[in-house]
Amino acid sequence: DAGVIQSPRHEVTEMGQEVTLRCKPISGHNSLFWYRQTMMRGLELLIYFNNNVPIDDSGMPEDRFSAKMPNASFSTLKIQPSEPRDSAVYFCASSSQGPETQYFGPGTRLLVL
Amino acid sequence: DQQVKQNSPSLSVQEGRISILNCDYTNSMFDYFLWYKKYPAEGPTFLISISSIKDKNEDGRFTVFLNKSAKHLSLHIVPSQPGDSAVYFCAASVSPGGSEKLVFGKGTKLTVNP
Repeated sequence: DAGVIQSPRHEVTEMGQEVTLRCKPISGHNSLFWYRQTMMRGLELLIYFNNNVPIDDSGMPEDRFSAKMPNASFSTLKIQPSEPRDSAVYFCASSSQGPETQYFGPGTRLLVL
Repeated sequence: DQQVKQNSPSLSVQEGRISILNCDYTNSMFDYFLWYKKYPAEGPTFLISISSIKDKNEDGRFTVFLNKSAKHLSLHIVPSQPGDSAVYFCAASVSPGGSEKLVFGKGTKLTVNP
């Protein structure tokens, strides 16, 4: 199994631009999670889906952030417009059951100039 | 408000010695705790977990201890190996199988010196 796949691995953009991060979960997993890692706040959950339905988006920082999961094998996290404070590593994770089976992707390192 | 706290950003130990990583939590509703390990440029990987009905769980060189009255857990690695050098995250959840939402600490960077 290829594991959780994220793209791009690195993204450098300018303030005000739209950023789209992509995630392909492990086949057969029915839950998908988006996390953000920063030095100040550590690893924080942004949103998670179960069976393609958003369950908890309380961690989404503001309306500039949106996430979709159109099918079981694909999800996007979009930031529009991006700001320098959005610079972080964004992780996608998927699981089939229970918190200990969350498998993380390698992350997307985002830098907003 | 950090519900899961790892107060030591870094820890350095000698190969063969014990590594002890600590974690405190504030939310008394948490009843399932996990440790994840993260190498640079990779995502976190699950290491070991413990339910609140236990006070100890062991898996090879890794043991997690839970003190519910103190809202404190610790990860012991014995003996420590250079390959254990990584960032370790403590995480907590309200009941496995219920909400899958995990709350993570900020992590502790462990360096094991040869």
